[in-house]
Amino acid sequence: EADIYQTPRYLVIGTGKKITLECSQTMGHDKMYWYQQDPGMELHLIHYSYGVNSTEKGDLSSESTVSRIRTEHFPLTLESARPSHTSQYLCASSEGQGVDTQYFGPGTRLTVL
Amino acid sequence: GQQVMQIPQYQHVQEGEDFTTYCNSSTTLSNIQWYKQRPGGHPVFLIQLVKSGEVKKQKRLTFQFGEAKKNSSLHITATQTTDVGTYFCALPPGGTSYGKLTFGQGTILTVHP
Repeated sequence: EADIYQTPRYLVIGTGKKITLECSQTMGHDKMYWYQQDPGMELHLIHYSYGVNSTEKGDLSSESTVSRIRTEHFPLTLESARPSHTSQYLCASSEGQGVDTQYFGPGTRLTVL
Repeated sequence: GQQVMQIPQYQHVQEGEDFTTYCNSSTTLSNIQWYKQRPGGHPVFLIQLVKSGEVKKQKRLTFQFGEAKKNSSLHITATQTTDVGTYFCALPPGGTSYGKLTFGQGTILTVHP
C-alpha cells in the first residue's frame, strides 16, 4: 500500500461552514492531485500541483482552493460548504517520471446538510 | 482536447463468466494505465501498457493495447466475487494536459454468485 493519508475519512457538516480536507504523503512525490467522485461515477480532477508553491485548477470547476507549502502536504479548503459539495474527495500523488503511477488516498466522504 | 470513451458503463455477470471492458482514445497514445476501485474504496493501479499490440497478463486478467495505440481492453476470465468494482483506464498527458492523467468513465462490474 502507498503511504498517502487523508483526514477526516468522513465529515458531516452544516451549510456555510469552512472546512479543510487534509492530504499527506510520505513518498516524496512532487505531483499531487485532488479528485471529486460521486458514487458510481467517474473521477473529476479539480486541482493538481507539480511541486511546492505550484497549484493549478483541474478539468472540473470547483469552489474549493488548495495550497502546497510543503512537498508532503496538499490540503483542500472550502470556505463556505453547500449541499452541492456533498461528494467523495480523493487525493493522489505520483512520482512524476517513469510509469508515473498515481497512488490514491482512502478518500474523504463529505456530506453538507 | 484528449477524449476517452470507456464501455460498457455497467456489466452484470454470473460468477464464472468472462468480462471485458474497452477503452478508446481520440488520439494515439504513448501508453495507457488501468486502475481498479473496489466498492467504497479508492482506485488502485493495475498495470501500464506501452508497446503497440502489447498483451500482459495478471492471473485471470488480460490487458491488451491496440496496434494503433488508440484503444485498450481488460478481460477477466472466469470472474469471481472478488473482481467486483469499477475498472478505469487512464490516458497519459497529451497536448495541454501535461502531467495529468485522463481517466475513462469507468466500467462497474457486478458479479452474482
